[in-house]
This record gives sequence, structure tokens and C-alpha cells, in this order.
Amino acid sequence: AQTVTQSQPEMSVQEAETVTLSCTYDTSESDYYLFWYKQPPSRQMILVIRQEAYKQQNATENRFSVNFQKAAKSFSLKISDSQLGDAAMYFCAYRTRTGANSKLTFGKGITLSVRP
Amino acid sequence: EPEVTQTPSHQVTQMGQEVILRCVPISNHLYFYWYRQILGQKVEFLVSFYNNEISEKSEIFDDQFSVERPDGSNFTLKIRSTKLEDSAMYFCASSLGPDPYEQYFGPGTRLTVT
Repeated sequence: AQTVTQSQPEMSVQEAETVTLSCTYDTSESDYYLFWYKQPPSRQMILVIRQEAYKQQNATENRFSVNFQKAAKSFSLKISDSQLGDAAMYFCAYRTRTGANSKLTFGKGITLSVRP
Repeated sequence: EPEVTQTPSHQVTQMGQEVILRCVPISNHLYFYWYRQILGQKVEFLVSFYNNEISEKSEIFDDQFSVERPDGSNFTLKIRSTKLEDSAMYFCASSLGPDPYEQYFGPGTRLTVT
């Protein structure tokens, strides 16, 4: 079974600075997706960024980028130029590409606070 | 932009009562999901649903749970006899398909069992 681990429960960053959120996962599969979801206080989860395991290039979405290390099974999220609206809980998630199984497996999440 | 909606936003019920949580997925989506998040814990998969059948379910999704798509727009989760440990945030999600399509989440229903 796949597992996703987010070992840091909380992080804090100064507005306009850069922060990196860590995630590791365990799987025996070679083809899968990794995601970062943001859950603001309104509690609706929003997809931040997605990485396909077969792609060597790290995904980037505006101020958000990932460092995907497949051999190390590490998938960190970097937020550049942090804004107050980035304050939220962030979940790392895994999804297989094998068969019709499409469920997401989530980590415990990390609470990010942004200091003005 | 189309959104997944869920009602009610908060439901309080007594232990042993039946509850139905409602979701309206994005209209052209074909795959539907329920997840739950007990306060302070990770989001957990409950069930996926496609073509009027359960595609996959987790160990959490026991005989007390059922899902239904009663019409062309709603997707419901029923808990027959609620327990205190069912208190959680329940999220509905929908997607066009399994791969490579992403899942879009609703705002959640907070269920409190007293």
C-alpha cells in the first residue's frame, strides 16, 4: 500500500520570502501522480500543483514549484514570494496510474502561516 | 467556473440516527468520490463511484455507509446509524475520469454526532 508522510506539522514564513514544504512517500509502483492541495480556512481543497512520475522535469505553477526526487521518493513544494493568502493547510497526495484505481492517498498535512 | 457543491455545510445529529450528506458534482463529470477528515487528522478515502456502481471502497466504508446517485445531478452519502466516531468533515469530489483527470473537491459537510 502507498503511504504519504508529511513530518512537519507547522511552518511559518515571512511575507515575500520563500518556504519549502516537505513530503515523502512510499510506493512500489513506477507510474503515478503526486499532488499538493491547499486547504484554506474555508476548508475547500484546491489543487496547487501536479507532478507525473514519468516526467523528469519539475512542475511549476506561477509562484509554486516542486522538487521531485523519484529515487528518494521525495516531493517538496516551494512557495516563492509568499503572500498572506498562502496561509493554509497543505496536503501532499499520491495517486496511482495503474488500472482504474483513482483514489487519492493524503499525508497528514502541514499548516503554513504567513507573517506580515 | 463550475464547482462541486455540498449540503448542508454543517449537520448535527444524535448517535444512532441516519444522516444523508448531499453533493452536486460538476455536471459533465463521471467519477464521484467521498473522503472524510476527522479533526486534526489526514483526509481519508471512503469510496469511488462510476456508472452507478461502487468502483472502490476503503475499510472505513462498512455496511453502515451507502452511496447513491438518485438522479442526474446529486450524489449522496448515507450513514445508517451514526456513531460518535463518524464526526468528521466529509468531502465530495468529482472528476471527468480516473486518469489523467484531476479531482475537484466540494467545500465539505461538517458532521457532528452527539
